[in-house]
Amino acid sequence: AQTVTQSQPEMSVQEAETVTLSCTYDTSENNYYLFWYKQPPSRQMILVIRQEAYKQQNATENRFSVNFQKAAKSFSLKISDSQLGDTAMYFCAFMKSQGGSEKLVFGKGTKLTVNP
Amino acid sequence: DTAVSQTPKYLVTQMGNDKSIKCEQNLGHDTMYWYKQDSKKFLKIMFSYNNKELIINETVPNRFSPKSPDKAHLNLHINSLELGDSAVYFCASSTRTGGGGTPLHFGNGTRLTVT
Repeated sequence: AQTVTQSQPEMSVQEAETVTLSCTYDTSENNYYLFWYKQPPSRQMILVIRQEAYKQQNATENRFSVNFQKAAKSFSLKISDSQLGDTAMYFCAFMKSQGGSEKLVFGKGTKLTVNP
Repeated sequence: DTAVSQTPKYLVTQMGNDKSIKCEQNLGHDTMYWYKQDSKKFLKIMFSYNNKELIINETVPNRFSPKSPDKAHLNLHINSLELGDSAVYFCASSTRTGGGGTPLHFGNGTRLTVT
């Protein structure tokens, strides 16, 4: 079974600084997808970034980028120029196909606080 | 133009009652899901439906019964509610058109409190 581990339950960063959130996963599959989702206090689940395992190039979305190390099964999220609005729970997720649908397996999340 | 909408947003009820949560998506997706987020914020899949057909059923008690009248709707009915059912329930949708790995779009969640 796939598992996703986020080893940092909580982190904090000063506004405008850079922070990296860790994520490791366990799978025997070769083709899969990885995601980071953000959940602010409003409770919405917001997609931050997506990575295809067969692509070596790390995904980037504006201030958000990942460091994807397939051999090490590591998928960390870097947030540059942190903003107060980045304060949220961040969930790393592994996607696998199961039957006729996709299944997202989530880590336990990292609570990020951006301080002014 | 809400993409995935679920109602109600909050639901407070007593043990033993039966309740339903409704979900609708206007994205044209063919797959819908129910996820449960517990008090520690852990998210776990409960069910998935593809074109109204049940695909994933993750060891959820029989008291939980999903129903998909069409591919744009997936409702969740819960019988004989228990204290442990208190959680936030998220509906989500996705599509496999163009290949796999498309992100799930989530609704805003329903906070269920059982007293």
